[in-house]
Amino acid sequence: QKEVEQDPGPLSVPEGAIVSLNCTYSNSAFQYFMWYRQYSRKGPELLMYTYSSGNKEDGRFTAQVDKSSKYISLFIRDSQPSDSATYLCALYYGNNRLAFGKGNQVVVIP
Amino acid sequence: DAGVTQSPTHLIKTRGQQVTLRCSPKSGHDTVSWYQQALGQGPQFIFQYYEEEERQRGNFPDRFSGHQFPNYSSELNVNALLLGDSALYLCASSLQGSSYEQYFGPGTRLTVT
Repeated sequence: QKEVEQDPGPLSVPEGAIVSLNCTYSNSAFQYFMWYRQYSRKGPELLMYTYSSGNKEDGRFTAQVDKSSKYISLFIRDSQPSDSATYLCALYYGNNRLAFGKGNQVVVIP
Repeated sequence: DAGVTQSPTHLIKTRGQQVTLRCSPKSGHDTVSWYQQALGQGPQFIFQYYEEEERQRGNFPDRFSGHQFPNYSSELNVNALLLGDSALYLCASSLQGSSYEQYFGPGTRLTVT
């Protein structure tokens, strides 16, 4: 079983829709939960990170963590064409490395 | 605020050759990690350097080696290149003790023919 599972299937939404992305994980030792955005042929950009279960908002982005279910989510409200990118979840448990999901390609159609 | 920089942007090498990739961390950061990202995959951890020493290593053969300099910049060396080494190589920097908060550079795209 992989440490972090993220369904890589491309997601196409109309502009203004809510984008919902999620990852599941197997190791309950994970403490920090990150979301990165990666544009084509660029490096990942840290969007936000959370430490505890619950929600964290940053502008149009909301990260949600459910440690009991080992499930994390990212919601993008009022999606824009500029949000078209690959979104990667990354988890950390103190061993100096990030464990990434495969990434979710999102296309926002004007 | 200077972000993470990497050089070169991309390069093409032949099987069996050796390659060196370079990274300068974000201003104020002292820890550098290297990742390999194959097409359509998430980044895979190679190793991390702090205080000029390798602190943690992922599941990569010892053909992959690195170095960190006193100014915190770092190099990734790959010997005896294989076709499967073709990937985007990413450098990330962080502060010691806060390795959950890593900032990535633009990457070096390596093609092995």
